[in-house]
Amino acid sequence: DAMVIQNPRYQVTQFGKPVTLSCSQTLNHNVMYWYQQKSSQAPKLLFHYYDKDFNNEADTPDNFQSRRPNTSFCFLDIRSPGLGDAAMYLCATSRMGVRYEQYFGPGTRLTVT
Amino acid sequence: GQQVMQIPQYQHVQEGEDFTTYCNSSTTLSNIQWYKQRPGGHPVFLIQLVKSGEVKKQKRLTFQFGEAKKNSSLHITATQTTDVGTYFCADPNYGGSQGNLIFGKGTKLSVKP
Repeated sequence: DAMVIQNPRYQVTQFGKPVTLSCSQTLNHNVMYWYQQKSSQAPKLLFHYYDKDFNNEADTPDNFQSRRPNTSFCFLDIRSPGLGDAAMYLCATSRMGVRYEQYFGPGTRLTVT
Repeated sequence: GQQVMQIPQYQHVQEGEDFTTYCNSSTTLSNIQWYKQRPGGHPVFLIQLVKSGEVKKQKRLTFQFGEAKKNSSLHITATQTTDVGTYFCADPNYGGSQGNLIFGKGTKLSVKP
């Protein structure tokens, strides 16, 4: 089945230690998104790629970076995780067009110790 | 700041009772999307409303888009335990950029059997 896959599902990192979360998709969608969702809150858009074009939200901290080496894969790099970065990180994809509904992956829960 | 307001934040119902969540925007929306997130899960697209005054039904779920395209509602008739989760409305054109989802804060529905 076509889907959005996130690895790992759970990630523990130390304060200040760089961490990379990965997302892959078999939907062949041209847009990929990264969201941060903290407990009992709505997902918050961090950035997205429209094909190879990177679009950063104005309030996304510089500590967060992203890479999209090809259509199928997208990575979220957190250069120096702080305790406040502990959250669920959701990857989503969509195909630009009339409907552009987003398909979310299962998420990676990041713990910072 | 938050562009899409959603109420109530929580709703507890007895199985079989109806449930409604409301979404309001300070600006006119091009369209609006609704997502459901089960506990421990990821957001799943339910529907997109585009036309002024539009009403769409999915089994026991009824979605409405206001005449002024500034408000929307989701109504569930005769709730079941499978309806448990958080329901989010979302503006998919945040900042004028197609596909940039800005979520309402969500309504968390619990259903007592």
